[in-house]
Amino acid sequence: NAGVTQTPKFRVLKTGQSMTLLCAQDMNHEYMYWYRQDPGMGLRLIHYSVGEGTTAKGEVPDGYNVSRLKKQNFLLGLESAAPSQTSVYFCASSYEEGAVDGYTFGSGTRLTVV
Amino acid sequence: DAKTTQPTSMDCAEGRAANLPCNHSTISGNEYVYWYRQIHSQGPQYIIHGLKNNETNEMASLIITEDRKSSTLILPHATLRDTAVYYCIVTNDYKLSFGAGTTVTVRA
Repeated sequence: NAGVTQTPKFRVLKTGQSMTLLCAQDMNHEYMYWYRQDPGMGLRLIHYSVGEGTTAKGEVPDGYNVSRLKKQNFLLGLESAAPSQTSVYFCASSYEEGAVDGYTFGSGTRLTVV
Repeated sequence: DAKTTQPTSMDCAEGRAANLPCNHSTISGNEYVYWYRQIHSQGPQYIIHGLKNNETNEMASLIITEDRKSSTLILPHATLRDTAVYYCIVTNDYKLSFGAGTTVTVRA
């Protein structure tokens, strides 16, 4: 049982390049989330999904797109990377009722945009 | 979500109990208190949550005051591996907001 797996773990992009971060969970969770964490700060919600085929904007959605074509996968895309998007990205998942067991987080993707 | 106030940092001795306070004076009746922690460079880890009653699991105990305006997370026997940032979150929403948390350093 792997839990939440994020791919890749590290990436360096040039300004203007695009990339997709993959999040996969094997717990049959309905809800999935993408957060970013900048140095010395808490996590900020980028986008989230309440089920297969659904997505919604979080606190800081600009510059990102997401897709949830399969229940187990949640993709985060950067169409034209900017240095301000240098951050650590965390994916998480939860059951519909988040209070049951809380979130399960992945180990993060460290992205640097130069 | 109710606003929470946590100390910026705290130290505790290895083997002793660590008591982490959280104030949430504007909490509403259907909001839960969640605690997560984040060990350096890792994703946050769920610890415990509660609504009104005190809760205990294999990781920690959560004490919520009777008026629910504050709570305390207790790590009964802190180890060096408990050094982390601890987040107190109060919400009735499935979307969690993580603030700055309390940086806890366990010293040998």
